[in-house]
Amino acid sequence: EAGVAQSPRYKIIEKRQSVAFWCNPISGHATLYWYQQILGQGPKLLIQFQNNGVVDDSQLPKDRFSAERLKGVDSTLKIQPAKLEDSAVYLCASLSSGGEYTDTQYFGPGTRLTVL
Amino acid sequence: GEDVEQSLFLSVREGDSSVINCTYTDSSSTYLYWYKQEPGAGLQLLTYIFSNMDMKQDQRLTVLLNKKDKHLSLRIADTQTGDSAIYFCAEGGAGFQKLVFGTGTRLLVSP
Repeated sequence: EAGVAQSPRYKIIEKRQSVAFWCNPISGHATLYWYQQILGQGPKLLIQFQNNGVVDDSQLPKDRFSAERLKGVDSTLKIQPAKLEDSAVYLCASLSSGGEYTDTQYFGPGTRLTVL
Repeated sequence: GEDVEQSLFLSVREGDSSVINCTYTDSSSTYLYWYKQEPGAGLQLLTYIFSNMDMKQDQRLTVLLNKKDKHLSLRIADTQTGDSAIYFCAEGGAGFQKLVFGTGTRLLVSP
């Protein structure tokens, strides 16, 4: 079974520029999450999708961050314009339910963003 | 509110046991998880425990849960250098609720 795919793996931009990240979840996983992991901290949820609908975006800075999952499969996360404090690893996860690992989220390798 | 705390650093020698501790605040959490993160990699699920359990053993891993004190621990037996990583505990509800992660404990295993 292929894992959660993310691209790019690394991105360096200057502040006020825009950036987009892509995530392809595990096939058949209806729930998709984007997390932000700042260096030295645990991941923090930004947004959660169920199919192509938003379940929780309470911690998404909506003035600059946006995310979509138009067909209920792949998702993109965009930052426009970026700030220095957006430097972090952006992790995508998808959820499997049932079986031995009920309600387990599987994580992609992440995109490391550096804002200069 | 939700808050998950961990000690920042643990150093052990190869072959010893490691114990990583975690405290959480949300008593309604249904599942408690341990994830491993190696440098440059995503999070790998190690094990999980239902909130109605006290202990779970999975090969070299033992999870202990003290619901009264909201304390979770992960014991790694016969720790190897390949176990060096950051370990995160996380709490979550049933269904599709979000995970709340701790700050992570960096485990360093020396030969």
